[in-house]
Order: sequence, then structure tokens, then C-alpha cells
Amino acid sequence: ELKVEQNPLFLSMQEGKNYTIYCNYSTTSDRLYWYRQDPGKSLESLFVLLSNGAVKQEGRLMASLDTKARLSTLHITAAVHDLSATYFCAVDMFSTDKLIFGTGTRLQVFP
Amino acid sequence: DTGVSQDPRHKITKRGQNVTFRCDPISEHNRLYWYRQTLGQGPEFLTYFQNEAQLEKSRLLSDRFSAERPKGSFSTLEIQRTEQGDSAMYLCASSLPLRYEQYFGPGTRLTVT
Repeated sequence: ELKVEQNPLFLSMQEGKNYTIYCNYSTTSDRLYWYRQDPGKSLESLFVLLSNGAVKQEGRLMASLDTKARLSTLHITAAVHDLSATYFCAVDMFSTDKLIFGTGTRLQVFP
Repeated sequence: DTGVSQDPRHKITKRGQNVTFRCDPISEHNRLYWYRQTLGQGPEFLTYFQNEAQLEKSRLLSDRFSAERPKGSFSTLEIQRTEQGDSAMYLCASSLPLRYEQYFGPGTRLTVT
């Protein structure tokens, strides 16, 4: 059974600081997704990582994928309050397009 | 608005009643997915369609749940004899084949009292 684990589950960080969210998964997969969810809202796609070594950046967020280690990271640079949300990683189960989500990391950025 | 739409956005029902939700995918997206999300958890896959064919159903989808996509466009998810444990956000997503990225709708929040 494919399992996706994120850590930390909750992250409170000060504006201007850097931090990394980790996503580990248990079975071979070469597609990994990062989504953002604001309270009471739906999911917004942030990144789709399709191959080993893939790195994508958008603003203060950068995501990378290491398929050999079964690990993806979401790095936050110089956090701002607007980044406060819950971040989910998701893995495509055996390339079926059926996404298995992690438990999410709730990020809170304070002044 | 050309995004995924869902209706209703909120539904409150009494235990034992039947409910039906609708999802309209992005035009030309032939894949449509249903997920369920409970408070504090990530979404869980329920089922998905390619055109009108339902290709897979999760074990989470008990006999009380049925999904259809009759003409390969919109989809409906029906829950019969609702239980309190059915209370959740029901999310619909759509994608193009081989394009990988799934676009999510705003969700239908179901509360069973």
C-alpha cells in the first residue's frame, strides 16, 4: 500500500525565515505534486514534478524530487504572511493518475 | 469562468436521507475524479472516469455511494442513506489525458446531522 508522509505536520515560522517541508513516499513513483489549500477552500496546484532530479521554483517556493530516495522537498525562502496555508504533497499511484495525498503541513507565518 | 465547478457548495442533511452532488469539469477534460476530504486530513481518492467509463472505485466507496458520468461531461455523486461519518468535503477534479495535472473544483461540504 502506498503511503505518503509529510513533516512537519505543523510549522509556525517568522516572516523572513527559510524552512523546508519534507514529503516521503513508500512506493516507486516518478510523479509528485504539491498543492496549497487555504482554510475552507479547494486545492490549488503549485508544482508537478515528473522526473528524478526535477526542480521547480515559483516565487518564494521551490520544490524538488529525488525518486531514488522517494523524497520531495518544498523549500520556503524568506517567508511572508501570504504563504500561510496548508500544503499537501501527492503521489501518483503506479502512474494511474489516482493521487495519494499526504496528511498536509499547516504553515503559519507570523510577523 | 472555465474552471471546475461543483454544486451545491454546501449541503446539510439528516441521517438516512439521500444526497446528490454535481461536478462540471473543465471543457475538453476527459478525466474526472472524485475525492473526499475530512477535517485535518488530505483528500482521499474515491473514483475516476475517463469519458463516461468509470475506471476505478476505491474501497472507501461503499454500496451506498454511486457515481455516474452519463455523457462524458458532467458527473454526479450520490450517497444513499447518509450517515454521520459521511460528513466531509467532496472534491471533484479534472484533467486531460497524459497531462498529469489535476484541477480541483471548490468542493461540496456535506454535513450529516
